[in-house]
Amino acid sequence: DGGITQSPKYLFRKEGQNVTLSCEQNLNHDAMYWYRQDPGQGLRLIYYSQIVNDFQKGDIAEGYSVSREKKESFPLTVTSAQKNPTAFYLCASSIGDTFASGANVLTFGAGSRLTVL
Amino acid sequence: ELKVEQNPLFLSMQEGKNYTIYCNYSTTSDRLYWYRQDPGKSLESLFVLLSNGAVKQEGRLMASLDTKARLSTLHITAAVHDLSATYFCAVVDYGGSQGNLIFGKGTKLSVKP
Repeated sequence: DGGITQSPKYLFRKEGQNVTLSCEQNLNHDAMYWYRQDPGQGLRLIYYSQIVNDFQKGDIAEGYSVSREKKESFPLTVTSAQKNPTAFYLCASSIGDTFASGANVLTFGAGSRLTVL
Repeated sequence: ELKVEQNPLFLSMQEGKNYTIYCNYSTTSDRLYWYRQDPGKSLESLFVLLSNGAVKQEGRLMASLDTKARLSTLHITAAVHDLSATYFCAVVDYGGSQGNLIFGKGTKLSVKP
């Protein structure tokens, strides 16, 4: 079955450590996204990528980094510069690379919950 | 900057009752999505509304979009326990060249017997 796989599901980080969250999709989607979800909040966009080797900052990119070396993969690194990283992180993908025309439904992964100790 | 506001944020209702969730947004847009999230799980797409007056229905849920009022509604008919979840609306913001999706805070629905 096609879908998005995120790992790990749960991750604990000590202060000062960088951690990387994995996101892999086998849907052949062009665009991939990382969102952060905090309790009682909507999703906020961290980074997105429309094609391989290209990505753009979202609304809350500070303290995060990404890469897009393969179409299927879009890992997110939470760096020590992110002062409040405890959150639920959701990776998503879509066929289209723009929301400005037509429908562009996001398919989400199951999420990764990061806790800072 | 487009802002999205959902009301109510928490909703407790009895099985068999009807209710409506409201999604208001602050600037012009004509594309809106509804997603469902079960506790600790991912988001699942429910509806895509792409024009003024659009109405979509699936089972006990019906969504509509009024772009002039900048309002979308998600109507629940004869609620059942399986509908308990958090519902998010997301509005397309045309501020950038590619557009961006702005999510509301979500409405946590609890349906009790």
